[in-house]
Amino acid sequence: EVQLVESGGGVVQPGGSLRLSCEASGFSFSEHGMSWVRQAPGKGLEWISLISGSGGDRKYADSVRGRFTISRDNSRQIAYLQMSDLRVEDTAVYFCARDPWLAIQMWLYFDSWGQGTQVTVSS
Amino acid sequence: QSALTQPRSLSGSPGQSVTISCSGSSIDVGSYNYVSWYQQGPGKAPRLIISDVTKRPSGVPARFSGSKSGTSASLTISGLLAEDEADYYCFSYAGSYTWVFGGGTKLTVL
Repeated sequence: EVQLVESGGGVVQPGGSLRLSCEASGFSFSEHGMSWVRQAPGKGLEWISLISGSGGDRKYADSVRGRFTISRDNSRQIAYLQMSDLRVEDTAVYFCARDPWLAIQMWLYFDSWGQGTQVTVSS
Repeated sequence: QSALTQPRSLSGSPGQSVTISCSGSSIDVGSYNYVSWYQQGPGKAPRLIISDVTKRPSGVPARFSGSKSGTSASLTISGLLAEDEADYYCFSYAGSYTWVFGGGTKLTVL
């Protein structure tokens, strides 16, 4: 059974940093791209970042480019999202999600999701 | 990367059919057949119900179907059940290796 478990969320002040983790099990982790998708309180979903199965290719939404960094450790089956220069508008539940392909494809979709971790940016 | 446009809410009675629209532009929905749809129950993670405009993953009932015309995609749910009450999101490639979700539609089963 595919399982994705996010952790690392919490409360942080504006300008601060946080690292989220997504621990995967039940599938061959290195053969799948991984994304982070967030959902602000009462709002819709927002795709923010994607990393290929090998970790060699990464993509970002404009809203986080230059502040967030996605990475992965295939030996430990964990994907990460390093968030820096956090803003109040980054407050959201952050989901990790798996896609079916090794390389980044335009026809991206997400076939498995974690339950999410809450990030609150507040002074 | 503007969000795709969906109706904020829709409702239907059990047994009826409802169609949720997802309006984009020539740079996203209109240029690619890479639209997927997700169902999200209250406090839950999203679940894939349609990929590549029309494909249903295994385990998704045939009551769910997808289509596209021009710059708009649609999700139709036939034979509405109480368990279909949820939020629904479309998702599309938006060019330059970026992707965008719709704003979401809250479906109420009366």
